[in-house]
Amino acid sequence: NAGVMQNPRHLVRRRGQEARLRCSPMKGHSHVYWYRQLPEEGLKFMVYLQKENIIDESGMPKERFSAEFPKEGPSILRIQQVVRGDSAAYFCASSPAQESEQYFGPGTRLTVT
Amino acid sequence: DAKTTQPPSMDCAEGRAANLPCNHSTISGNEYVYWYRQIHSQGPQYIIHGLKNNETNEMASLIITEDRKSSTLILPHATLRDTAVYYCIVRVLGAGNNRKLIWGLGTSLAVNP
Repeated sequence: NAGVMQNPRHLVRRRGQEARLRCSPMKGHSHVYWYRQLPEEGLKFMVYLQKENIIDESGMPKERFSAEFPKEGPSILRIQQVVRGDSAAYFCASSPAQESEQYFGPGTRLTVT
Repeated sequence: DAKTTQPPSMDCAEGRAANLPCNHSTISGNEYVYWYRQIHSQGPQYIIHGLKNNETNEMASLIITEDRKSSTLILPHATLRDTAVYYCIVRVLGAGNNRKLIWGLGTSLAVNP
């Protein structure tokens, strides 16, 4: 049973470009969570999605950031017009149910130059 | 804001027990304590969680004080591969019944030969 998969693992974007991060949850998991981690810090919750629905986006910036989890395919975290402050590691986690522990992917390291 | 405080770093000799403390004095009655670890910037790995009672699994034991204001994660026989950052986390109830993990800064555990 493959774990949570994220791609790309490393992404370099220039200021003003768009970054698109993908997350494939574990088989049978319909709950997806996105987190951001700055160097030397813990993870910060961004958004929680179930298939086709955003449930909790309280941690996501109101502008430039969006997330989706379509019926078919991976979950996507999209950052438009990236700025240097967006440079961070972005982790995706999935779970089979709301009450279950979350399983994390290897992360995408975004660098904005 | 983080709901947990942990010492920034600890050392442990290989083969000995590692006891990692955590304070969560503002925890509410229905909020769980979770522990994850992160090895060298990889995706976090679930260890254990509990509400009131002490818990044990194949990786670790979790001791929660009676007033629930603090807890201790115990790795009974630490190995070099247990060197990691250990996060004590409070799971709160967010929007849409989201079980949201609130991460602190963690404890960097170094297991020495």
